[in-house]
Amino acid sequence: AQSVTQPDIHITVSEGASLELRCNYSYGATPYLFWYVQSPGQGLQLLLKYFSGDTLVQGIKGFEAEFKRSQSSFNLRKPSVHWSDAAEYFCAVGSLSYNTDKLIFGTGTRLQVFP
Amino acid sequence: NAGVTQTPKFQVLKTGQSMTLQCAQDMNHNSMYWYRQDPGMGLRLIYYSASEGTTDKGEVPNGYNVSRLNKREFSLRLESAAPSQTSVYFCASAGFPLMNTEAFFGQGTRLTVV
Repeated sequence: AQSVTQPDIHITVSEGASLELRCNYSYGATPYLFWYVQSPGQGLQLLLKYFSGDTLVQGIKGFEAEFKRSQSSFNLRKPSVHWSDAAEYFCAVGSLSYNTDKLIFGTGTRLQVFP
Repeated sequence: NAGVTQTPKFQVLKTGQSMTLQCAQDMNHNSMYWYRQDPGMGLRLIYYSASEGTTDKGEVPNGYNVSRLNKREFSLRLESAAPSQTSVYFCASAGFPLMNTEAFFGQGTRLTVV
């Protein structure tokens, strides 16, 4: 069965600093991977996704993520964090079946940004 | 453009009461999902559905039932609510296969069981 681990529950960075949020997955086949962001009191918004091809994917709001099969990782990065990036971030893995896809999320990482 | 609509947004139940959370999507998606979100636990999949009339158990199905009566609607029922079911519930929908699209989420239902 697929699973996702986000080792960091809470991360604090200063505005303008770089950011890396970790995600490790477990899945028997080639996974498809997602990063979602949840602002306080809101639903979830897709930042980026990976299915195949180039292992470095670009997303919205200046985020990028790199798929590393050898490490079973899909870490999210941003070169310079803005105060508005403070939110909770979720990594998710999808598994393909014949008629639908199961989508499993990690436990999330809460990002706090100091001015 | 409504997307995924959940009702109600807030609900307080007494232990043992029943209720149904409603979810509807207007994107003609095949797949629909119900999650619960608890502090430190992330989003956990309760049930999901590939199409009308089909449902599958997720990670935490116990205490819940679902119904996919048509393509638009996917409801979640708590037959006898327990305090452990206090949570924020999210409904999502997606096209199939997921690799060609993304899952869209509702705004959530905050449920408190006292």
